[in-house]
Amino acid sequence: QKEVEQDPGPLSVPEGAIVSLNCTYSNSAFQYFMWYRQYSRKGPELLMYTYSSGNKEDGRFTAQVDKSSKYISLFIRDSQPSDSATYLCAMNWKTSYDKVIFGPGTSLSVIP
Amino acid sequence: EAQVTQNPRYLITVTGKKLTVTCSQNMNHEYMSWYRQDPGLGLRQIYYSMNVEVTDKGDVPEGYKVSRKEKRNFPLILESPSPNQTSLYFCASSPRYGRPFFGPGTRLTVL
Repeated sequence: QKEVEQDPGPLSVPEGAIVSLNCTYSNSAFQYFMWYRQYSRKGPELLMYTYSSGNKEDGRFTAQVDKSSKYISLFIRDSQPSDSATYLCAMNWKTSYDKVIFGPGTSLSVIP
Repeated sequence: EAQVTQNPRYLITVTGKKLTVTCSQNMNHEYMSWYRQDPGLGLRQIYYSMNVEVTDKGDVPEGYKVSRKEKRNFPLILESPSPNQTSLYFCASSPRYGRPFFGPGTRLTVL
C-alpha cells in the first residue's frame, strides 16, 4: 500500500462548480498536511497548509483533515479556468521539512 | 525576488556521461531538497540537506550524489546517468519551520 494515495483523475468540471480533491494516507504519524498546485511545465506552489484535524479556509479554498479516517480534502468553490492544474497533497510528521511525502496528484480541468 | 533557480531547464544526454544540475536559492533557507517527478508516482525525494555539509538520503537516492558546500547552492550530480533517470527534477528549499518552495524544474532525458 502506498503511503499516500490520490485519485489521478483527470477531473473535468464546469466553471463555477465546487471541486473536491481527496487524499488518503496510511501513516497515522503524519501531522502536517499541505496542498500544492502545479501548472503545466512549472514547479509546485504551496496552496494550503494545515496541522492536525480540522478545517482551514483561504479565499475560495478550504482544506479539511480527518485524522481518524486518514483522509484529507481540498475544496475549491466557484472554480475558475485558471484553477486548471494538477493538485498534489503532501504531508509529513515533523515541524521541519526535510522529509515530505507527496501524493501522485490529481489533474483538474475547469471548462469555461 | 525570492526564488529557487535551476539550470539547465532542459537537458538531453547519453548514458554514462556525467552531468550536474545546479540549484540555487536566495532566501537564506536552511533546508534544500531534490525531487524527481514521474507520471503516476508523484514527487519522490532523492536527497535533502539540513544545512551546509549536512545531507541525507531520501526515498530514491541510487545513482545520485549531492553536495552542500554553500548555504544557497545544492547541486545534483549524476555520475553515470542511465535511461531510468529520465525524469522531471525539482529542487526545493525551505526555512527550518516552513514549507518547501520549489524551483521551476529540469527536464532530463537520458538516451
